[in-house]
Amino acid sequence: AQRVTQPEKLLSVFKGAPVELKCNYSYSGSPELFWYVQYSRQRLQLLLRHISRESIKGFTADLNKGETSFHLKKPFAQEEDSAMYYCALSRMGGSYIPTFGRGTSLIVHP
Amino acid sequence: GAGVSQSPSNKVTEKGKDVELRCDPISGHTALYWYRQSLGQGLEFLIYFQGNSAPDKSGLPSDRFSAERTGGSVSTLTIQRTQQEDSAVYLCASSFAPGDEQFFGPGTRLTVL
Repeated sequence: AQRVTQPEKLLSVFKGAPVELKCNYSYSGSPELFWYVQYSRQRLQLLLRHISRESIKGFTADLNKGETSFHLKKPFAQEEDSAMYYCALSRMGGSYIPTFGRGTSLIVHP
Repeated sequence: GAGVSQSPSNKVTEKGKDVELRCDPISGHTALYWYRQSLGQGLEFLIYFQGNSAPDKSGLPSDRFSAERTGGSVSTLTIQRTQQEDSAVYLCASSFAPGDEQFFGPGTRLTVL
């Protein structure tokens, strides 16, 4: 069975500080990993996916198959980054039901 | 075109009543998902439709929950004999193909009194 773990329910940092939102997964096949974000009073939306290897809004995430992790990082947090972040795992081939983590609430203080 | 839409945006009902929640996916998207979002519980998968295939209902919490997707487009999630623990935000998402980026609707906030 596939599983996504986001160990932190809440992460609180000050503006300008580095931020890392952790995501660990368990899956034996080839994973497709995503980070979704939900800003206050907005709908859930894709932030980035590992196959595109992009940096979005200053965020990056690297898939580490050895550690089965897909942590989301930003070197300098901004107040507008405050949001709920969900890590999600989809499966390449076979079942496409994605598995979401429970989410991490990021609060960036001024 | 427009994104995924859901209606109603809010629904307050009494325990024991039936409710229907509607989702209009993005045109051309073959995959449609329903989730339940509860405080502290994250996103709970409910049901998945892909094209004309039989839906995957493995996430439905009880037989009071059912969903259908007509003509490969609009979907309706029905909850019969609602209970207070059904109170949550129900999210619908669609994707162009299985495993692709999901586009989410704004959700329906269901409150069961």
